[in-house]
Amino acid sequence: GAVVSQHPSWVICKSGTSVKIECRSLDFQATTMFWYRQFPKQSLMLMATSNEGSKATYEQGVEKDKFLINHASLTLSTLTVTSAHPEDSSFYICSARDLQGVVGAFFGQGTRLTVV
Amino acid sequence: DAKTTQPNSMESNEEEPVHLPCNHSTISGTDYIHWYRQLPSQGPEYVIHGLTSNVNNRMASLAIAEDRKSSTLILHRATLRDAAVYYCILDRGSTLGRLYFGRGTQLTVWP
Repeated sequence: GAVVSQHPSWVICKSGTSVKIECRSLDFQATTMFWYRQFPKQSLMLMATSNEGSKATYEQGVEKDKFLINHASLTLSTLTVTSAHPEDSSFYICSARDLQGVVGAFFGQGTRLTVV
Repeated sequence: DAKTTQPNSMESNEEEPVHLPCNHSTISGTDYIHWYRQLPSQGPEYVIHGLTSNVNNRMASLAIAEDRKSSTLILHRATLRDAAVYYCILDRGSTLGRLYFGRGTQLTVWP
């Protein structure tokens, strides 16, 4: 299957600082990328959808000013958690799809964010 | 949201076949059925997807009911590495590629 690389795998930051998470599709061009958040023992919750060169679309209840998404190219999307607080601690997962073809979605390995 | 219903958990012994059921009674004609699995502390992994016909790949088989209101993911010989949460998801054209995850089925494989 296709490879999606997410970096970093884990990060610890202080309250009030910002953290950037990168998501790259390594062997295909991702027309659309998605960002999910997962709390312990819960399912994945879709946060936002990003298309290359356009503004991200956020799911209801997700603060767009807090979770900044940039999709600068067909292979790279970034999620920046701004002014992080302990309640933002979670497992963040990106996904990439090439919606030109009928294929599945491919996921990064996830980023464990801990805000202290 | 794409609505599917799966059992919370299932168990199997190693090297035995596993049939993971999924109900999706609200499926429409253009919805694809996707299956993903997630190991602890990892991102989900694509397993298989289909529309109407049964599908096979190196990981699993997908059996789709004739009315498409249910499907079954078949692992032909379970291994310990297959222990994971399995998610059945409807990929709806109206959601423009967004996949909404339900609770999935926690599969336990006993040696």
